[in-house]
Amino acid sequence: QKEVEQDPGPLSVPEGAIVSLNCTYSNSAFQYFMWYRQYSRKGPELLMYTYSSGNKEDGRFTAQVDKSSKYISLFIRDSQPSDSATYLCAMSEYAGNNRKLIWGLGTSLAVNP
Amino acid sequence: DTGVSQDPRHKITKRGQNVTFRCDPISEHNRLYWYRQTLGQGPEFLTYFQNEAQLEKSRLLSDRFSAERPKGSFSTLEIQRTEQGDSAMYLCASSFLAQETQYFGPGTRLLVL
Repeated sequence: QKEVEQDPGPLSVPEGAIVSLNCTYSNSAFQYFMWYRQYSRKGPELLMYTYSSGNKEDGRFTAQVDKSSKYISLFIRDSQPSDSATYLCAMSEYAGNNRKLIWGLGTSLAVNP
Repeated sequence: DTGVSQDPRHKITKRGQNVTFRCDPISEHNRLYWYRQTLGQGPEFLTYFQNEAQLEKSRLLSDRFSAERPKGSFSTLEIQRTEQGDSAMYLCASSFLAQETQYFGPGTRLLVL
């Protein structure tokens, strides 16, 4: 079993829809949770960063972390064609100097005009 | 542009040749990471530096791979005797010591023929 599971999709929605993206994980030591957006042939771009449990909102984006269920979500409201990209979840634990990120496979999202 | 930069953006080489990639992190960041990403996968951790010290190397990093960060600023990743299986996007990221968030460069796409 991979440490981080993420449905690769593809997910296709009409413009204006609410999008829900999810990851599950197995390592209860993870404390830092991130969502990255990656356009084709580009490096990942940080969207949201959350420490421990709870919700965080930034514009049209909301990140949720449920540590009891080992489940994180990213919601995109009023989705736009420019949101079409691959969305990667990533997480890390505090373990001294070891802060490498563990990644999901990424979910490919297409928002259709 | 004050983000992470990588050079070259694309590299095509023949099997058996050596290649070297460069990464310039965000200037005040003292941590620098190298990842490898293949199509449809999340980034895989290769190695990371804190200042000039290389603190961890993944088992993925065979003897043919070497990374340096001689003055704690830019870093180079060299692959010797390239193999077709080395074809991938090589991503560099940097972070500030007290933060978990890693900021990525645009990547170097390597194709080994």
